Amino acid sequence: EDQVTQSPEALRLQEGESSSLNCSYTVSGLRGLFWYRQDPGKGPEFLFTLYSAGEEKEKERLKATLTKKESFLHITAPKPEDSATYLCAVQSHVSGYSTLTFGKGTMLLVSP
Amino acid sequence: AAGVIQSPRHLIKEKRETATLKCYPIPRHDTVYWYQQGPGQDPQFLISFYEKMQSDKGSIPDRFSAQQFSDYHSELNMSSLELGDSALYFCASSERLAGVDEQFFGPGTRLTVL
Repeated sequence: EDQVTQSPEALRLQEGESSSLNCSYTVSGLRGLFWYRQDPGKGPEFLFTLYSAGEEKEKERLKATLTKKESFLHITAPKPEDSATYLCAVQSHVSGYSTLTFGKGTMLLVSP
Repeated sequence: AAGVIQSPRHLIKEKRETATLKCYPIPRHDTVYWYQQGPGQDPQFLISFYEKMQSDKGSIPDRFSAQQFSDYHSELNMSSLELGDSALYFCASSERLAGVDEQFFGPGTRLTVL
């Protein structure tokens, strides 16, 4: 069974204080690892897809990296508008094309 | 850019009533997915459709059914509603035929069962 564990559950940062969120996964044949951002009461917003170990993707202050067992979402010099819950999800060749298995998320709060 | 449209955005029902949620995928997207997200929980996959055929089935209760129509919109039908069905229901879509794995989510329907 595919499993995704995210840490920490919650993270409070000061504006400009860089940090990283962790996503550890166990999956039978990784098809892809996805990062989403979710604001309260809204739908997850797609950020990145990573397919193979060593891959990196960047978007503004966010950078996602992937190893064979985990992924990191690095946040550089965050701003208050980066406050949200960040969800990691995996898709496997075994579980089926459709199934995204999500982690519980990391709730990020960036204070001015 | 066009996004996934869901309606209604909010729905209040009594126990044992029925509810129908609608989803309009992004244009040219051929696959629709339904997810349920309880308070403080991660989204749980319910069911998906590819080219109007059921593709995969997740933790969807037998009281729920869904279909995808010729115009690619999808409806999630929920019967004999229970208090525990109160949740956010998200629809997502993707362009599977083009080999794109990313699922794009709609704004959700908040269902409250009283």
